[in-house]
Amino acid sequence: DTGVSQDPRHKITKRGQNVTFRCDPISEHNRLYWYRQTLGQGPEFLTYFQNEAQLEKSRLLSNRFSAERPKGSFSTLEIQRTEQGDSAMYLCASSPPTPQETQYFGPGTRLLVL
Amino acid sequence: QKEVEQDPGPLSVPEGAIVSLNCTYSNSAFQYFMWYRQYSRKGPELLMYTYSSGNKEDGRFTAQVDKSSKYISLFIRDSQPSDSATYLCAMSAENAGNNRKLIWGLGTSLAVNP
Repeated sequence: DTGVSQDPRHKITKRGQNVTFRCDPISEHNRLYWYRQTLGQGPEFLTYFQNEAQLEKSRLLSNRFSAERPKGSFSTLEIQRTEQGDSAMYLCASSPPTPQETQYFGPGTRLLVL
Repeated sequence: QKEVEQDPGPLSVPEGAIVSLNCTYSNSAFQYFMWYRQYSRKGPELLMYTYSSGNKEDGRFTAQVDKSSKYISLFIRDSQPSDSATYLCAMSAENAGNNRKLIWGLGTSLAVNP
């Protein structure tokens, strides 16, 4: 399967714990996005990488959230000191460097904070 | 006012019906328009992509963009029970750093009844 993959698919954690999610984009895609989606809502933009550079970060992303993309390949999203309000589906998307760039999504990581 | 408005439904139609899904938007800078399909607990799947105004057809699906009215549509012909899903519109503009972060509608829940 050459699509976007995310790991883990599900995560249950207790409030206050740290969690880390991983995204492996489609190999030739240099752009990578993280979104968050709650039930009944469309996804909300969190952050964007072009290669290894993090070029934009939403103000929705508090300082408890950090994302990295070392070497411009896979990316990680870490949430420190999780809160119940962090419970959501975290989606990763990647896109190629073409004028008709479109974003392809992974299956998401569903986080539940107890 | 949200940048992208989409009626969340739910929309229920009999098998074989023509389905019309719509979004309106307020940001005249949007140039890229997409429709995604999302099954329960899965990531969004790209269905249709349109740049600027016009129509695009792919099998049973037709996407229309009317930039003068800031209105986009997705038509599904000969709808099937397997089309039952949430349909999300998404759009983007060219931003600094080529960040084409997607701005999403809420999604319309569609049920096609056999």
